[in-house]
Amino acid sequence: AQKITQTQPGMFVQEKEAVTLDCTYDTSDPSYGLFWYKQPSSGEMIFLIYQGSYDQQNATEGRYSLNFQKARKSANLVISASQLGDSAMYFCAMEDSNYQLIWGAGTKLIIKP
Amino acid sequence: NAGVTQTPKFRVLKTGQSMTLLCAQDMNHEYMYWYRQDPGMGLRLIHYSVGEGTTAKGEVPDGYNVSRLKKQNFLLGLESAAPSQTSVYFCASSWDPMNTGELFFGEGSRLTVL
Repeated sequence: AQKITQTQPGMFVQEKEAVTLDCTYDTSDPSYGLFWYKQPSSGEMIFLIYQGSYDQQNATEGRYSLNFQKARKSANLVISASQLGDSAMYFCAMEDSNYQLIWGAGTKLIIKP
Repeated sequence: NAGVTQTPKFRVLKTGQSMTLLCAQDMNHEYMYWYRQDPGMGLRLIHYSVGEGTTAKGEVPDGYNVSRLKKQNFLLGLESAAPSQTSVYFCASSWDPMNTGELFFGEGSRLTVL
C-alpha cells in the first residue's frame, strides 16, 4: 500500500537560513506524482511544488525546490532563505495513477526572527 | 474568480442528523475530491470523482456518500452523523493532477458532531 512519511513533527529555523523538510514515500506504482503543500494557521491549503516520477530534473518554484531521490524514495522540500511568513504546517503528498492522493502527517515549521 | 467554494463553512450537528456539504468550482475541472483533516494529521481522502457522473471511494469512505451530477459540483453527504465525523472537510479540484501537479482547495468546512 502507498504510504507517505514525514519524520519531523516540528522544526525551528532561524530566519534567512535554508531549511529541508523530509518526506519519504512507498509505492509500487511506476507512475506517481509528489506534492508539497503549505497550510498556514488560517487553514487554507497552498500548493508549493510538484514532481512527477518521470521528471528528470528536480522541480523548483522560486525559493522552493524539491530534492527528488527516486532510488531512495525521498522527496524533500528545500526552502532557501526562510522568512517569517514561512511559518506553517507543510504536507507532503503522493498521487498514484489511480488518482488517489495520500498525505503525510505534516511538519510544523516555525521560523525564528 | 471564485475558484473552489465550500458551503457551509461551519456546522454543528447532533448525532444521527444528516447534512450535505456542497463544493462548487468554476474552473471547468474534471477531478474533484473530498478530504477530511483531523488534528495533527494530514488529509485523508473520503471520495473523489474523475468526471461528471462518476465517483469513487477513497481511503475513509464509510459513513459518507457523494454525488457529481454536474461537473462543477461535488456533494458530500452524511446520512447519520457520528461524533467521529467531527473534522475539517476540504474539497479540492484539478484539471489533471498528474500533468499540472496542482490541486485547488476550498477554504474548508468545520463540522462538529455532538
